[in-house]
Amino acid sequence: GQQVMQIPQYQHVQEGEDFTTYCNSSTTLSNIQWYKQRPGGHPVFLIQLVKSGEVKKQKRLTFQFGEAKKNSSLHITATQTTDVGTYFCAGINNAGNMLTFGGGTRLMVKP
Amino acid sequence: DAGVIQSPRHEVTEMGQEVTLRCKPISGHNSLFWYRQTMMRGLELLIYFNNNVPIDDSGMPEDRFSAKMPNASFSTLKIQPSEPRDSAVYFCASSLLAGNQPQHFGDGTRLSIL
Repeated sequence: GQQVMQIPQYQHVQEGEDFTTYCNSSTTLSNIQWYKQRPGGHPVFLIQLVKSGEVKKQKRLTFQFGEAKKNSSLHITATQTTDVGTYFCAGINNAGNMLTFGGGTRLMVKP
Repeated sequence: DAGVIQSPRHEVTEMGQEVTLRCKPISGHNSLFWYRQTMMRGLELLIYFNNNVPIDDSGMPEDRFSAKMPNASFSTLKIQPSEPRDSAVYFCASSLLAGNQPQHFGDGTRLSIL
């Protein structure tokens, strides 16, 4: 079945440093979604990427979908303590019926 | 707008007891998902419904788990009998259409089986 893997599992950064998490799928994806889960909270939808090579920005967050639609990345510029949480990617295969979540990257930011 | 509503928020019970988790999806959403989250296994999809019909229950761990969606505004996830390894946070999520729409998660039920 489809597998979605994320690296790293954990990342500690100093406030102000950049952060990147990578997502890789075993199969070609029709689209990919990103979610953020704050400690003790629930996953919250951030963005969806659909097109090959697509890049989208939300303030300090930059999301990218690979040319082959099998990988994606989330980059945060100049992290802040409010960025703390676990970031999940979730891919939808070409059958378009199910979202498969990656294992998540837990980001910790030291003030 | 009311989001996905789950109850109870916390449940502590002894092994062997029946546990029922409840979910009210966002009005108008026609897909509903049940997830289980643990440190070891991450976020796992247990089952999802489209228009109240179960579409894929391949993630349901075993026969002790069952899920129903009797109408568009209510779903239950039951565990009978419960075991300590069922301890986890259970999330319900809903979306407009399974597959290519954002999923909206409830606050989850933190379940502890003693």
